[in-house]
Amino acid sequence: KAGVTQTPRYLIKTRGQQVTLSCSPISGHRSVSWYQQTPGQGLQFLFEYFSETQRNKGNFPGRFSGRQFSNSRSEMNVSTLELGDSALYLCASSPGQGYDEQFFGPGTRLTVL
Amino acid sequence: DQQVKQNSPSLSVQEGRISILNCDYTNSMFDYFLWYKKYPAEGPTFLISISSIKDKNEDGRFTVFLNKSAKHLSLHIVPSQPGDSAVYFCAASLTQGGSEKLVFGKGTKLTVNP
Repeated sequence: KAGVTQTPRYLIKTRGQQVTLSCSPISGHRSVSWYQQTPGQGLQFLFEYFSETQRNKGNFPGRFSGRQFSNSRSEMNVSTLELGDSALYLCASSPGQGYDEQFFGPGTRLTVL
Repeated sequence: DQQVKQNSPSLSVQEGRISILNCDYTNSMFDYFLWYKKYPAEGPTFLISISSIKDKNEDGRFTVFLNKSAKHLSLHIVPSQPGDSAVYFCAASLTQGGSEKLVFGKGTKLTVNP
């Protein structure tokens, strides 16, 4: 089985722009979670989608949004980018609900200039 | 306010010895705890978990201990191997307002020297 894939792997944007990141889960997995990793804050939970519905949400501003499609693929959008949004964005998929069976993708490295 | 703390940013041990990674939490409502391992340029990989109703869970060379009264958990790796060198994240989960929330520590970089 192919693993979790994320595109693009690297991205450079400027302040004020918006960005969309994509995640394709492992085939058959219905849950997709997004995380932000920065050196200062570590790994922080953004949100989780299950069967096209946002099931859980972390403490991030409304500029961060996401969606999940019927094929379980997910996109994450960040609007009005700020310098502090520079981070590694990780996507994880799991067969159902629950965090201990998550499989992570390699991440998208976003740099905001 | 950091609810899950890994106070040691790094740890270095000799191959064959025990590695002990520590994690403290502040919220007594956390009911499930997980450890993840992350290699450079890869996503985190789930390692082991423990429910708050247990005090120990073992999987091969990895054992997680939970001390609820101290709000402390630790990951023991015995014996440590060079391939264990990675960043280890502790995470805690709780159900809040109908949602399940997962909070991570900042990670501890483990280096196992041959």
